[in-house]
Parts: sequence; C-alpha cells; structure tokens
Amino acid sequence: ETGVTQTPRHLVMGMTNKKSLKCEQHLGHNAMYWYKQSAKKPLELMFVYNFKEQTENNSVPSRFSPECPNSSHLFLHLHTLQPEDSALYLCASSQELLGEQYFGPGTRLTVT
Amino acid sequence: AQKITQTQPGMFVQEKEAVTLDCTYDTSDQSYGLFWYKQPSSGEMIFLIYQGSYDEQNATEGRYSLNFQKARKSANLVISASQLGDSAMYFCAMRGNYNAGNNRKLIWGLGTSLAVNP
Repeated sequence: ETGVTQTPRHLVMGMTNKKSLKCEQHLGHNAMYWYKQSAKKPLELMFVYNFKEQTENNSVPSRFSPECPNSSHLFLHLHTLQPEDSALYLCASSQELLGEQYFGPGTRLTVT
Repeated sequence: AQKITQTQPGMFVQEKEAVTLDCTYDTSDQSYGLFWYKQPSSGEMIFLIYQGSYDEQNATEGRYSLNFQKARKSANLVISASQLGDSAMYFCAMRGNYNAGNNRKLIWGLGTSLAVNP
C-alpha cells in the first residue's frame, strides 16, 4: 500500500455543497498535515495534528473543518466554499512534528 | 519574520550535467532546519534532503547534496548527473525552532521548475 493515500483525486463542487477529503497514512507516523497549493503562491500549511491533537490552525476559514480520528486518518470537511478555494490539497505525514514529510498525491478541487 | 526565497522560476540543464538550485532564507532562530522537496507533474511532493542548522557537514543523499552556507543564509540544492526523470518543480522549505511558538511551522519557497534536456 502506498505510504500516503488521498481520496478523491479530483473533486468538483458547487458553493453550496458539503464534501470531505480523506487522507490515510500507512507509515506509522505521528503527525499529519493539510496543505493548500495554489498557482504562483507558496505552499500554505493549513492544519497540523500530532498524536491526533491539533497543534496548528493557520488562520484557515471556518468553511474548512479538519478531523483526525486516529494517527492514521485525516479528513478535511468542506462546506460553502468559494471559487478562490479551488486548488490542490495535499496531505502529508511525518514521524516527528515538522520533520521530513511524506505526501499524498493530492486532491484537485474545483469550486464552481 | 521567516522567509524562503527561490530566485530561479525556471532552469534548464543538459542530461548528465550537474545543476544548482538556489535557496536563501531569513530567520532569527538559532535552531532551524532546511528541506528540499521535488514535485513531478503528477503532483506528489517527494522529500529529497534535510539540513539542520547545527549540522557541520553538508547533507548528501545519492545524487543530491545541499550546499549549506550558514553565514550567507543559503541552502542550495545540487543535483549531479541529471536525469530526464529529474524534470520537476523543486521546493525549499524551512522549519523554525520547535519551542518558539509561531515559528514552529514550515515556510515554503515558490519553487524552481527544472527541465532536463536529452
């Protein structure tokens, strides 16, 4: 099984929809991350979990809601998104907090 | 404030030649770490190499080496013997001091697009 998996790989949603992104890591890591990657912008760290506890929330709008039920799974719940939220959403994990990270393939999100 | 600068939006290199990708950083932390990642067109970010601020030796991982010049605050990535599969975006990132509150998070550069020509 690939180290970090993400589903779905592509998602198109309207501004009134509710959807969730899923991330699973099979590496036995303790920390997991959500990133947003937009064109011509640095990678934005959105949320950080360490041993299932959220350690960082970098001023992310409340329309993004993370959930980490255990150290292997991470979700990003989406509701009433805006077109500017269209981006590649990357999940990553690491053994130690902010150590070398292993990334999933990403979810390409388009908000219409 | 912490900052990462990658001044080369795009680079070309001939297959089998070496190439250097630039990264400069700004931080007031005494303890920090620098990472390089590769992102092929498939989208998945791949960890390449790490350098700690107190490491005395430059980091090396196979064909990748990090030219760490602390006084100049630069952490350039050197790829030796370029291969066609090295064509990708390359990102430099910095982690601040774990115990410095807001400085804990990772800061990323805008990336450099590398094209390896046959």
